[in-house]
Amino acid sequence: AQKVTQTQTSISVMEKTTVTMDCVYETQDSSYFLFWYKQTASGEIVFLIRQDSYKKENATVGHYSLNFQKPKSSIGLIITATQIEDSAVYFCAMMRGSSGNKLIFGIGTLLSVKP
Amino acid sequence: EAAVTQSPRNKVAVTGGKVTLSCNQTNNHNNMYWYRQDTGHGLRLIHYSYGAGSTEKGDIPDGYKASRPSQENFSLILELATPSQTSVYFCASGTTGAETLYFGSGTRLTVL
Repeated sequence: AQKVTQTQTSISVMEKTTVTMDCVYETQDSSYFLFWYKQTASGEIVFLIRQDSYKKENATVGHYSLNFQKPKSSIGLIITATQIEDSAVYFCAMMRGSSGNKLIFGIGTLLSVKP
Repeated sequence: EAAVTQSPRNKVAVTGGKVTLSCNQTNNHNNMYWYRQDTGHGLRLIHYSYGAGSTEKGDIPDGYKASRPSQENFSLILELATPSQTSVYFCASGTTGAETLYFGSGTRLTVL
């Protein structure tokens, strides 16, 4: 069975610091894709960053980067130099290599960035 | 820019009534999805579609039907709404292949 687990319900950090959000996943597939999404206070859900299971290099987009530890089935999201506008709910998600693009989501982590 | 539009934004329904949530995408994506979001559960897949005329059951399809009459439109139908279906519903579209999904703004449904 496929499963995505986010154990951090909420995190609070000071502005301009670095935060890491944890995510572990379960899959029997040899090929899969991992995503992080951000849900803003307005409810909008936007794609942030993606990691393909066969790639050893950690993905980086702007001030978002991933810590992909395949042996631990872990895909952490790192946000450097956090800004107030980074305050949101962050979802980790997994897509199987042959699932018809179905995403399985974790329950989300609420990030609060304080000035 | 990818565009997925949901209507209505908010809906109040009565128990036992019929509810239809609509989704339109202008991305020309083959795949469309309906998720519901509840506290403590994240987003859970209800139904999805690979193209016009096709619908597939997701992880929690009970009590819901879906309809994909065209490439652009995908509806979620609650024939007999129940209070347990009170939730926020998101529609998404995506291409074939392991690409990201694009989400609509959500529909908040309250069943009294």
